Amino acid sequence: EIVMTQSPATLSVSPGEGATLSCRASQSVSSNLAWYQQKPGQAPRLLIYGASIRATGIPARFSGSGSGTEFTLTISILQSEDFAVYYCQQYDNWPPLTFGGGTKVEIK
Amino acid sequence: EVQLVESGGGLVKPGGSLRLSCAASGFTFSSYNMNWVRQAPGKGLEWVSSISSSSSYIYYADSVKGRLTISRDNAKNSLYLQMNSLRAEDTAVYYCARDPSPGKYYNWFDPWGQGTLVTVSS
Repeated sequence: EIVMTQSPATLSVSPGEGATLSCRASQSVSSNLAWYQQKPGQAPRLLIYGASIRATGIPARFSGSGSGTEFTLTISILQSEDFAVYYCQQYDNWPPLTFGGGTKVEIK
Repeated sequence: EVQLVESGGGLVKPGGSLRLSCAASGFTFSSYNMNWVRQAPGKGLEWVSSISSSSSYIYYADSVKGRLTISRDNAKNSLYLQMNSLRAEDTAVYYCARDPSPGKYYNWFDPWGQGTLVTVSS
């Protein structure tokens, strides 16, 4: 099973600033990585797949990068609606499909 | 509009059973692989099970193998999760989620339903 590790667990950021979230895989997943955003009481929403491809309707301030075992989600200028929990998920080697533990982006 | 609507959650005693449903609309359900993903209260996401468009291929997480059974009825545009021998650690919101494109397994999830809460407690 591929273990996904996200850091930090919590990121405190002021609106208007940028944020960088990390995701590490226990073995290479190539570019087979997705990112999701989840707000309280809501279902997750797909942001990024293929490590760097924005899903339909996702603003350009969200960008993904990386391959192999190290990945990054960057939010260039945080807006109020971006404060949420973010999860990475690998789909390279399955079953099982595995998620990271999440990074909570909170208002500083 | 693509929609996934789960139902069937509730309170059940340990060892009990429950059947979750997911009603799909707004797309050709029979062409897409489907999934169940769960989230324990205050915790992260855990993939539970996947089923191919024609039910030919089915996969489970080890934590639920032998107790939970995924199925689908393409004529009714519905996905199901039969949950038997339930344990306290099965307490979670259960989401149905679609593979993003028809035909092959892509294995990321888009879209998701709103979820249904299953609570296993005596």
